[in-house]
Amino acid sequence: DTEVTQTPKHLVMGMTNKKSLKCEQHMGHRAMYWYKQKAKKPPELMFVYSYEKLSINESVPSRFSPECPNSSLLNLHLHALQPEDSALYLCASSPSIYRPGNTGELFFGEGSRLTVL
Amino acid sequence: KQEVTQIPAALSVPEGENLVLNCSFTDSAIYNLQWFRQDPGKGLTSLLLIQSSQREQTSGRLNASLDKSSGRSTLYIAASQPGDSATYLCAVRRVGNTPLVFGKGTRLSVIA
Repeated sequence: DTEVTQTPKHLVMGMTNKKSLKCEQHMGHRAMYWYKQKAKKPPELMFVYSYEKLSINESVPSRFSPECPNSSLLNLHLHALQPEDSALYLCASSPSIYRPGNTGELFFGEGSRLTVL
Repeated sequence: KQEVTQIPAALSVPEGENLVLNCSFTDSAIYNLQWFRQDPGKGLTSLLLIQSSQREQTSGRLNASLDKSSGRSTLYIAASQPGDSATYLCAVRRVGNTPLVFGKGTRLSVIA
């Protein structure tokens, strides 16, 4: 199973709403990532979790709040978003490159398409 | 700072042609390089990963090469098909537990 599952696939929310994006993998990967992708642009890194701890925050506004409840799950909590936050949000996972023999290959989910009205 | 460039930005070829997509990176101290495919509105599918100690990887009609010293990688697609139409992204991970750095991608159209 090389699958990363993201829900929901589509989300429409108002600027005052609170919603969450969810990501799940069962490959035993200990690194998980959130990326944001605008149309015709490459993915931009938002957050990295390594062994369930936040290791990288790419200066993301606090209206985005990540959470890693366990090694298989990654959430992105959304609150008071702006229309310019509309984008495809991609979750990815990889084996930790700290373990010998791990390639560090990234596996992506299908993404959650977010529209902020 | 690592920068990744992909040339060309867009490519249109007739079905059956062999083609090469190019990726260059500025810092040769890489851990690995990964090629992805992305269909419109979809996630990224990993095609090939090349470790820094490797020179090439093959999967079916795809062959990726890596020349660390010159900071280049190529993705060769043999006998292209309309189903190969997608955006192809190259991404590089530096030594150390650092995130991938993506190129802007090459948008490929294969015409039947």
